[in-house]
Amino acid sequence: AQSVTQLGSHVSVSEGALVLLRCNYSSSVPPYLFWYVQYPNQGLQLLLKYTSAATLVKGINGFEAEFKKSETSFHLTKPSAHMSDAAEYFCAVMTGNQFYFGTGTSLTVIP
Amino acid sequence: DAGVTQSPTHLIKTRGQQVTLRCSPISGHKSVSWYQQVLGQGPQFIFQYYEKEERGRGNFPDRFSARQFPNYSSELNVNALLLGDSALYLCASSLGQNLNRPQHFGDGTRLSIL
Repeated sequence: AQSVTQLGSHVSVSEGALVLLRCNYSSSVPPYLFWYVQYPNQGLQLLLKYTSAATLVKGINGFEAEFKKSETSFHLTKPSAHMSDAAEYFCAVMTGNQFYFGTGTSLTVIP
Repeated sequence: DAGVTQSPTHLIKTRGQQVTLRCSPISGHKSVSWYQQVLGQGPQFIFQYYEKEERGRGNFPDRFSARQFPNYSSELNVNALLLGDSALYLCASSLGQNLNRPQHFGDGTRLSIL
């Protein structure tokens, strides 16, 4: 069975600081990897996805993620946090035509 | 263009009842997937339907069923409701069958079981 681990259920950063949200996956074959964001009382919005074309993936709103096969990681970063980035972030893996989400990381941005 | 729409937005049921949730995909999208998101957790994959056929199924009991109509809208049915079925139910649509295509999510139906 696949698993997705997001280290840190809550992350707080100051406005303008680096955002780093961690994601590790377990898969015997390179999966498709995704980051989604969820604002309160809303559905999920795709930030970016990895499909083996390039290890560094750029997404919307200034986010990017790097696929590291040796570490089975797909960490999400943003150089400078904005207040509007406060939300819940989910890492997800697609393999075998099933989708597996992590438990989420709640990002708080401190003014 | 309209996004993925789900109805109702909120629903309260009691244990043992049955519920039907509805989803209309983005125009042109033929794939619909259903997810259960329990409070404080990530979404869990329930079903995927493409061209009216079930293409994927998560680890959920047979009390959960779904179908897709010729216009690609979908219904999720849950029978014999349990307290643990209380959750946000999300629907997502995409163009193709493969789930690696970008999925567009609705805002969900919040189901509360008393």
